[in-house]
Amino acid sequence: AQSVTQLDSQVPVFEEAPVELRCNYSSSVSVYLFWYVQYPNQGLQLLLKYLSGSTLVESINGFEAEFNKSQTSFHLRKPSVHISDTAEYFCAVSVGGGSNYKLTFGKGTLLTVNP
Amino acid sequence: NAGVTQTPKFQVLKTGQSMTLQCAQDMNHEYMSWYRQDPGMGLRLIHYSVGAGITDQGEVPNGYNVSRSTTEDFPLRLLSAAPSQTSVYFCASSSLPGGSYGYTFGSGTRLTVV
Repeated sequence: AQSVTQLDSQVPVFEEAPVELRCNYSSSVSVYLFWYVQYPNQGLQLLLKYLSGSTLVESINGFEAEFNKSQTSFHLRKPSVHISDTAEYFCAVSVGGGSNYKLTFGKGTLLTVNP
Repeated sequence: NAGVTQTPKFQVLKTGQSMTLQCAQDMNHEYMSWYRQDPGMGLRLIHYSVGAGITDQGEVPNGYNVSRSTTEDFPLRLLSAAPSQTSVYFCASSSLPGGSYGYTFGSGTRLTVV
């Protein structure tokens, strides 16, 4: 069975600093990889995804993630964070075949951006 | 607006009571699922469905039932609520089972069992 490990439960940073949120997964087959963001008292929103092709994927608000198959990682990065990026971030992996897939989440990383 | 609608947003139950959490989507998505979110645990899959009439268990199915009579609706039933079921519940849907277009999440139901 697949699993997702987010190595940091909380990451505090100052505004305009760079940030990296780490994610490792375990699976013996090909996977789809996702990062979701959850703002306080809201549902989850898709931030970016890796399906195939280029290993570097970007979101519209400046985040990027790189798929590293050899290290089974999908770390999320942003070169300069804003106060509005404060949220909880979840890494997820989708594994399966045919019509039977399961989306498994990591435990989340709370990113707090301080002024 | 198209999306996933969950009702109610908040609910308090007494131990042993039953209730149904509603989930409806208007995007004609085949794949729907229920998750529970607990502090420090992330989201854990309860049940999922790959289409009308087809459901399967996820990681934490005990104490919950589901059915999928239509494409649009995927209700989650608690037959006899227990304090361990205090959680935030999210319904999600996708047009493809692998979620290659991403999963759309509802805004959640916060359930407290006393």
